[in-house]
Amino acid sequence: NAGVTQTPKFQVLKTGQSMTLQCAQDMNHNSMYWYRQDPGMGLRLIYYSASEGTTDKGEVPNGYNVSRLNKREFSLRLESAAPSQTSVYFCASSSGLGNTEAFFGQGTRLTVV
Amino acid sequence: QKEVEQNSGPLSVPEGAIASLNCTYSDRGSQSFFWYRQYSGKSPELIMFIYSNGDKEDGRFTAQLNKASQYVSLLIRDSQPSDSATYLCAVGGNNRLAFGKGNQVVVIP
Repeated sequence: NAGVTQTPKFQVLKTGQSMTLQCAQDMNHNSMYWYRQDPGMGLRLIYYSASEGTTDKGEVPNGYNVSRLNKREFSLRLESAAPSQTSVYFCASSSGLGNTEAFFGQGTRLTVV
Repeated sequence: QKEVEQNSGPLSVPEGAIASLNCTYSDRGSQSFFWYRQYSGKSPELIMFIYSNGDKEDGRFTAQLNKASQYVSLLIRDSQPSDSATYLCAVGGNNRLAFGKGNQVVVIP
């Protein structure tokens, strides 16, 4: 049972490059989330998906897009990376939206130079 | 006011002592409350959840919730070096899960 799997674990991008962070869960959860974690800022919600086919903006959505490809997969895309997007990104999933335990992936450490 | 606040700085506790962490939240409609532990370089993992006012105990951990005061706390009894980590308070409601900045706990042998 893998839980929540994120790829890649590490990535270095040049300013202006694009990339997609992949996330998949095998727990049959309805809800999935993307957070970023910066020193002193805690976990901030970028986008979330309450169920397959729906996505909504979180606290810090600017510069990002998401796709809920199916119930298992939720991807995060940076169209034109900026140094301010240097962060650790976590994908998470839960059975309910906001009221049940969230399980986290191992994180993606992204550096934009 | 930030949605979930954890204002205390790093907490150093001697091994065997009690560590006490506090968290306040702004949304009175919040329904679910979680404490996550995060080791350096790792992802957060759930250690406690609480939905009703009062205390909930699980091993060496006790979560306390006071909805009237919009306050949730975590006590770690008999602190061990393996408890050294950052503890994140999370509050659920209105279809979202919001996190505080976290409190670092260092247990000194």
